[in-house]
Amino acid sequence: KAGVTQTPRYLIKTRGQQVTLSCSPISGHRSVSWYQQTPGQGLQFLFEYFSETQRNKGNFPGRFSGRQFSNSRSEMNVSTLELGDSALYLCASSLGSTGYGNTIYFGEGSWLTVV
Amino acid sequence: QQPVQSPQAVILREGEDAVINCSSSKALYSVHWYRQKHGEAPVFLMILLKGGEQKGHEKISASFNEKKQQSSLYLTASQLSYSGTYFCGTERMNRDDKIIFGKGTRLHILP
Repeated sequence: KAGVTQTPRYLIKTRGQQVTLSCSPISGHRSVSWYQQTPGQGLQFLFEYFSETQRNKGNFPGRFSGRQFSNSRSEMNVSTLELGDSALYLCASSLGSTGYGNTIYFGEGSWLTVV
Repeated sequence: QQPVQSPQAVILREGEDAVINCSSSKALYSVHWYRQKHGEAPVFLMILLKGGEQKGHEKISASFNEKKQQSSLYLTASQLSYSGTYFCGTERMNRDDKIIFGKGTRLHILP
């Protein structure tokens, strides 16, 4: 059974540009959560999608957005990139929505460097 | 509302035991434990639910004290492969639909 797949794995962007990251969950999983990981802050929750609906959002500016498609695949977008957006972006999928003790499984992440 | 993990880092020799703690100021429904090796995805270890039993997985086990909103991860007779960063993630009783992670505990096992 394939795991969570994230693309691209590595990318370099310039300040002011925008970026789109993609996540394919484990087959049959309907929930996708996104996290930003930086050395000082650990794993910071961005948002969760379940059945194409955003169920929750973390404390990030509106430049961070996401969506989920009918096949459960998800994308997140960051507009007007800043140097501080450099991080590992992790996607995690689960069978059911979080908040009910469902286990989430992480992908290997997308390393974003903003220069 | 981010759970607090302690210690921040620990160095052990192979065969020694370790305890990693995770505490929250909010009433918790569940605690999730993950291990992440450098450059890799966090890997699920176990989940503890309110009212559930203590979990165990080979030489790694965990407990959840519901009264204190604390969980502890026990690593017995540590192996070199146990090195990595351990994260606890918590879900609150209000079921606000997100798992919030602590900043992690770095564990380094020496031969």
